[in-house]
Amino acid sequence: EIVLTQSPATLSLSPGERATLSCRASQSISSYLAWYQHKPGQAPGLLIYDGSNRATGIPARFSGSGSGTDFTLTISSLEPEDFAVYYCQHRYNWPISFGQGTRLEIK
Amino acid sequence: EVHLVESGGGLIQPGGSLRLSCAASGFTFTSEAMSWVRQAPGKGLEWVSRVSDSGGDTKYADSVKGRFTVSRDNSKNTLYLQMDSLRAEDTALYYCAKGRAASSIFDSWGQGTLVTVSS
Repeated sequence: EIVLTQSPATLSLSPGERATLSCRASQSISSYLAWYQHKPGQAPGLLIYDGSNRATGIPARFSGSGSGTDFTLTISSLEPEDFAVYYCQHRYNWPISFGQGTRLEIK
Repeated sequence: EVHLVESGGGLIQPGGSLRLSCAASGFTFTSEAMSWVRQAPGKGLEWVSRVSDSGGDTKYADSVKGRFTVSRDNSKNTLYLQMDSLRAEDTALYYCAKGRAASSIFDSWGQGTLVTVSS
């Protein structure tokens, strides 16, 4: 079973700053990684799939990179609505799994 | 617009059974794989189960294998999760999620239904 480890657990930043979130896989997963945003009381939303492809309607300030075992989600300039929990998820094989999440909070 | 609405959650005693439903609309249900994902209180997301577009292929997380059964009725555009032998650790908000292009990239989610396993 592939384990995804996200870091940091919590990231405290201010609006306008750049956010860099990491996800490391316990073995190579090629580019089969997605990123989701989850706000309290809402359904999770797909941001990035297959490592670097933005989902429909996602702003350009969100970008994904990486392949193999190391992946990064970058938010170039934080907007107030970006403060949420972010999860990575692989689909390389079964069982698919999520990372434990990174909480992005307002500093 | 894709719409996924879960139902069937509630309070159930340990060892009991519950069946969740997810009514789908706004897309061609028969063409998409569907999954269940849960979130225990204060915890992260956990994938639970997946069923192929035809219903002929199913996958489960080890934590629910042998206790949960996923199925679908394509004539009713509805996804199901039969949960048996429920445990306290199954307490969670259960989401149904649509796979993008029959994959396990979850591009649409419902709002979830809460299952509480407690005596």
